[in-house]
Amino acid sequence: NAGVTQTPKFQVLKTGQSMTLQCAQDMNHNSMYWYRQDPGMGLRLIYYSASEGTTDKGEVPNGYNVSRLNKREFSLRLESAAPSQTSVYFCASSEFGLAGGRETQYFGPGTRLLVL
Amino acid sequence: RKEVEQDPGPFNVPEGATVAFNCTYSNSASQSFFWYRQDCRKEPKLLMSVYSSGNEDGRFTAQLNRASQYISLLIRDSKLSDSATYLCVVNTNQAGTALIFGKGTTLSVSS
Repeated sequence: NAGVTQTPKFQVLKTGQSMTLQCAQDMNHNSMYWYRQDPGMGLRLIYYSASEGTTDKGEVPNGYNVSRLNKREFSLRLESAAPSQTSVYFCASSEFGLAGGRETQYFGPGTRLLVL
Repeated sequence: RKEVEQDPGPFNVPEGATVAFNCTYSNSASQSFFWYRQDCRKEPKLLMSVYSSGNEDGRFTAQLNRASQYISLLIRDSKLSDSATYLCVVNTNQAGTALIFGKGTTLSVSS
């Protein structure tokens, strides 16, 4: 099992450009998440999908959109990138979701994004 | 917003030392607690869940004090491979809420 995979690993964008970050999991998990991690800020939830066909905003959704393409895949789109979106983006998945108590979230390796 | 607070460190200790990390959380409705480990430029990985009665996994011991809203992680006999950032994580277990991550405590173990 590959677990959670993310593409690309690195990306440099110019302000105003758009891009989509891809995430896939092969653990048959129901829930998937997108986080960003900035120095001194910790991980913050951007969007999550509790199950196939549903998506909800997290703490910092502005400037992003998501698509739960199927049970395996959850993409994050930046329509018009801004320097404030320079960050490391992590996708994660879990079997039952945030109300599932003690279940583990499994993270992908991350995408490092620089917006100039 | 300081829902989960940790001492950022860094904690610099020699091999074999015992080190303890502390974490406080502000939401008294929080139900689940975890320690994640994050190596430099890598993704976070679950180290251990934290149970009310306290729990141990080898050299690692986690404690929870609900009254004080305080979580701790004790590492005994530190190894070089323990060098990492340790993230305190809290889940309120309410639908629509997220895992709340602390900013992490950095540990550096030297020989």
